[in-house]
Amino acid sequence: AQKVTQAQTEISVVEKEDVTLDCVYETRDTTYYLFWYKQPPSGELVFLIRRNSFDEQNEISGRYSWNFQKSTSSFNFTITASQVVDSAVYFCALSEARFGSARQLTFGSGTQLTVLP
Amino acid sequence: NAGVTQTPKFQVLKTGQSMTLQCAQDMNHNSMYWYRQDPGMGLRLIYYSASEGTTDKGEVPNGYNVSRLNKREFSLRLESAAPSQTSVYFCASSERTGGSSGANVLTFGAGSRLTVL
Repeated sequence: AQKVTQAQTEISVVEKEDVTLDCVYETRDTTYYLFWYKQPPSGELVFLIRRNSFDEQNEISGRYSWNFQKSTSSFNFTITASQVVDSAVYFCALSEARFGSARQLTFGSGTQLTVLP
Repeated sequence: NAGVTQTPKFQVLKTGQSMTLQCAQDMNHNSMYWYRQDPGMGLRLIYYSASEGTTDKGEVPNGYNVSRLNKREFSLRLESAAPSQTSVYFCASSERTGGSSGANVLTFGAGSRLTVL
């Protein structure tokens, strides 16, 4: 069975600080996908990134960066120079790449990030 | 470009009442999903429809039924609401079905907040 753990329930930072959101996953599959979704106060979940298990390169997109380490089963998300608009709940998710299966996406419990002005 | 539209956004029910949550997507996606979000538990899959004409149970299907009316629409029905079904419900859709469906990126609706008294 697959599992996603986001141990940080809530994080509060002051604007312009860097912040890292942790995500640890468990899976028996060798082929899988990892995701991050953002849920702003408006409620709608927004896709941020997808990473497959064969690509361990870190990725940077503007102020966002992701560190994927298979050795520690982690897929951490860093926001550099945080802004108030980054305040949201962030979800990490794991999907096993099984043929014909659309049901294998497992979400972590989410991390509520609050960026204070 | 509406994406995924859910109705209603808010609903209050009494125990034992029935209701249907409606969901429609305009992206010509094959797969559609219903999730529920509860505090501290992330999102859990209730039912999904990998393609038009098929539906299948997710992690927490008890007390719910679904109908894939056509490719665009996927409804969730509570036949006899219970307080344990108080939650925020999200409909989502994704493009691919079959193959590496684990790579699917989900597009979410804005959510429907349901309270059962």
